[in-house]
Amino acid sequence: DQQVKQNSPSLSVQEGRISILNCDYTNSMFDYFLWYKKYPAEGPTFLISISSIKDKNEDGRFTVFLNKSAKHLSLHIVPSQPGDSAVYFCAAMYGGATNKLIFGTGTLLAVQP
Amino acid sequence: EPEVTQTPSHQVTQMGQEVILRCVPISNHLYFYWYRQILGQKVEFLVSFYNNEISEKSEIFDDQFSVERPDGSNFTLKIRSTKLEDSAMYFCASSELRGANTGELFFGEGSRLTVL
Repeated sequence: DQQVKQNSPSLSVQEGRISILNCDYTNSMFDYFLWYKKYPAEGPTFLISISSIKDKNEDGRFTVFLNKSAKHLSLHIVPSQPGDSAVYFCAAMYGGATNKLIFGTGTLLAVQP
Repeated sequence: EPEVTQTPSHQVTQMGQEVILRCVPISNHLYFYWYRQILGQKVEFLVSFYNNEISEKSEIFDDQFSVERPDGSNFTLKIRSTKLEDSAMYFCASSELRGANTGELFFGEGSRLTVL
């Protein structure tokens, strides 16, 4: 049951360039989407989120785009830095009184100096 | 910066043994969660807890699992009789609020459980 899918297990980008991480979902009932970053031996850390009523949310170097008709979201990191190297998880949440997150499988981003 | 802390960081146990994983959520948070990640797989929701009771649980969270908040600060996950397939990284998380638009969960560093 893969309601949230990250089809690229890994991505390699040069420092200073743009990193684009993609995520697809199947359930149109999702109301909220989040990106988490995870370093080895640490728990996931919240990065940025977007409500389903928006199509873009920006926070510094990080921008999340949501295309509801395509059931697709993406995370853009500009400019990429070596410290951004981590596993990035896309997660989705239903509306209403729940904080249950449904995670994708993650994409390992490697930013080369 | 407040953080969620988990103990132990790594536990090795024999199949059939009971295991208790402990978590101290962020102090003003009201909602608590356990997630797990089997090696190479995605992070999966196990259970959420609010007001001293389970508010939601997944199909993974069967009768072998239980959670409690014994003393107002700790939040524990107990596995009564561990199986090999329980080997995973278990993450505790907490949040101040719940529902969409307030979905930021703060995760601990995880407890790695190895069942032999």
